[in-house]
Amino acid sequence: DGGITQSPKYLFRKEGQNVTLSCEQNLNHDAMYWYRQDPGQGLRLIYYSQIVNDFQKGDIAEGYSVSREKKESFPLTVTSAQKNPTAFYLCASSIERGSRELFFGEGSRLTVL
Amino acid sequence: GQNIDQPTEMTATEGAIVQINCTYQTSGFNGLFWYQQHAGEAPTFLSYNVLDGLEEKGRFSSFLSRSKGYSYLLLKELQMKDSASYLCAVSPHGGYQKVTFGTGTKLQVIP
Repeated sequence: DGGITQSPKYLFRKEGQNVTLSCEQNLNHDAMYWYRQDPGQGLRLIYYSQIVNDFQKGDIAEGYSVSREKKESFPLTVTSAQKNPTAFYLCASSIERGSRELFFGEGSRLTVL
Repeated sequence: GQNIDQPTEMTATEGAIVQINCTYQTSGFNGLFWYQQHAGEAPTFLSYNVLDGLEEKGRFSSFLSRSKGYSYLLLKELQMKDSASYLCAVSPHGGYQKVTFGTGTKLQVIP
């Protein structure tokens, strides 16, 4: 079955460490996104990518980095520069045209100790 | 910029009907999404309204008024499994989507 796979589901990190969250999709979607979700707040866009080797900053890109070397993969690195990284991270993908529905992965919960 | 408002929490009784409202003020508008999200899980797509009016899909219906910047999600014959957060999200104009989400409405269905 097609879908989006995020890993790991839970991750603990010490302050000052970088961590990379994986996101893989086999839906043949062109666009991929990373969102952050905090309690009491809506999903906030970190980065998005329309095509391979191209990506754009979202609303809260500071302290994060991404790459899009393959259509299927869009990993997110949470760097030590991110001041408050503890959150639930959601990866999504969509076809660029059509209903533009977002398909989400199961999420990765990052906790900084 | 984008501003989306929806109630933080709602409670409704099993078997009843509940309406979750969403108002938006955006610099561009193409359509409005509703997503359902159970606690600790990923959001799942419910509806996408582009034109004014009501769209019905089983127990769930979604309404849009573009001139008023207003939408609602109507849930009928509520079931306990409908307890979840319901996210309103706006898709802007342009050839590339950059969806903005509201803070979500947490619905609790009680017996």
